[in-house]
Amino acid sequence: QQQVKQSPQSLIVQKGGISIINCAYENTAFDYFPWYQQFPGKGPALLIAIRPDVSEKKEGRFTISFNKSAKQFSLHIMDSQPGDSATYFCAARDSGGGADGLTFGKGTHLIIQP
Amino acid sequence: DGGITQSPKYLFRKEGQNVTLSCEQNLNHDAMYWYRQDPGQGLRLIYYSQIVNDFQKGDIAEGYSVSREKKESFPLTVTSAQKNPTAFYLCASSIRYQGTEAFFGQGTRLTVV
Repeated sequence: QQQVKQSPQSLIVQKGGISIINCAYENTAFDYFPWYQQFPGKGPALLIAIRPDVSEKKEGRFTISFNKSAKQFSLHIMDSQPGDSATYFCAARDSGGGADGLTFGKGTHLIIQP
Repeated sequence: DGGITQSPKYLFRKEGQNVTLSCEQNLNHDAMYWYRQDPGQGLRLIYYSQIVNDFQKGDIAEGYSVSREKKESFPLTVTSAQKNPTAFYLCASSIRYQGTEAFFGQGTRLTVV
């Protein structure tokens, strides 16, 4: 069964600190790994995404680190701000067919304390 | 503005009733999806449609039905057979099936009373 395991379930970080969320997968056919950000009562929005041909992608304060051999990827939020408080989902897609849309992790509830 | 519109935002249903959630997109996307979100469960796929007049069951399709008669519309019916329908429902679309970015609507919160 395709799965993406996400940790931690919840995370509290002080303002200005680094928030780190980790995900692991088993299906080697996954070839697209997005992160979504969701605020309460809203739908998820794409934050940043990576393909396995690169080990890191950075957009502003958000960085994805990807370790293909370990089948792990992580989201780093530098200089975390209270406005970053949200639920974050990692996801993966299998381009080889048979997968039904994105497979999501269970989410991380991030709180940035001022 | 292009996007996905879900309605209503909040919906209350009595036990034993069917209810239909609306999802409309004007992004000209071929693929559309319905997800269910429960606390601590992430997003689970209910149904997806690769193209108009076609749809497939996802991981938790029991008690749900969909139609895709128009490219821009993908309504979800929660039937009385769904044992635990109270949840947050999210509709999404992508340019094509297995396309990259999925765009989500704002969700419908369904409560059974």
